[in-house]
Amino acid sequence: QVQLQESGPGLVKPSETLSLSCSVSGASISTYYWNWIRQPPGRGLEWIGYIFHTGSTSYNPSLKSRLTISVDTTKNQFFLNLRSVSAADTAVYYCARSWELSPLDYWGQGALVTVSS
Amino acid sequence: DIQMTQSPSSLSASVGDRVTITCRASQRISGYLNWYQQKPGQAPTLLIYVASSLQRGVPSRFSGSKSGTDFTLTISSLQPEDFATYYCQQSYNTPYSFGQGTKLEIK
Repeated sequence: QVQLQESGPGLVKPSETLSLSCSVSGASISTYYWNWIRQPPGRGLEWIGYIFHTGSTSYNPSLKSRLTISVDTTKNQFFLNLRSVSAADTAVYYCARSWELSPLDYWGQGALVTVSS
Repeated sequence: DIQMTQSPSSLSASVGDRVTITCRASQRISGYLNWYQQKPGQAPTLLIYVASSLQRGVPSRFSGSKSGTDFTLTISSLQPEDFATYYCQQSYNTPYSFGQGTKLEIK
């Protein structure tokens, strides 16, 4: 059974860096693409980006200048860092698995991150 | 970037009704269109992938189809547990993109 679990601070100050991790169990992170998606309160879904175990990434151009996604294959985890956050970055952040041309088939439960002073 | 236009944004229906939700891609995406269901406070779950393939464990009352760049999700006979928000998503090209969502409510 593939499971993903997000973790990280629930509150981040404006202009600081939002950092989340996603722990994967039931599947090797050395296969598949590992994605981040977010959902502002009451709104729709936005794809943030993904990473492959080699470190190869694809980012949403709307966030690319502030974004780093990384992976630690020894811990079966991957990570999101979003710099210089503002209130507009307040959202539930999900991690999810996919493959080339394939859907997001397994999702974490989501982590609410609020940007506020 | 590929834009996904989903309609309607909301829909009221009754148990037993047949409902249809549509998603249009701004350019060719072949069949790489997926549908998700999201209930309040929960992560989305995959219903349909590659336009018309039913994800394992999803009831057969859900179906998907494709016509050019138009995609349709059909629920043949609504059940109480189907009242939720539905999203389409293209996985043809990055940045992956979602439709705006359709909130299906009880009439």
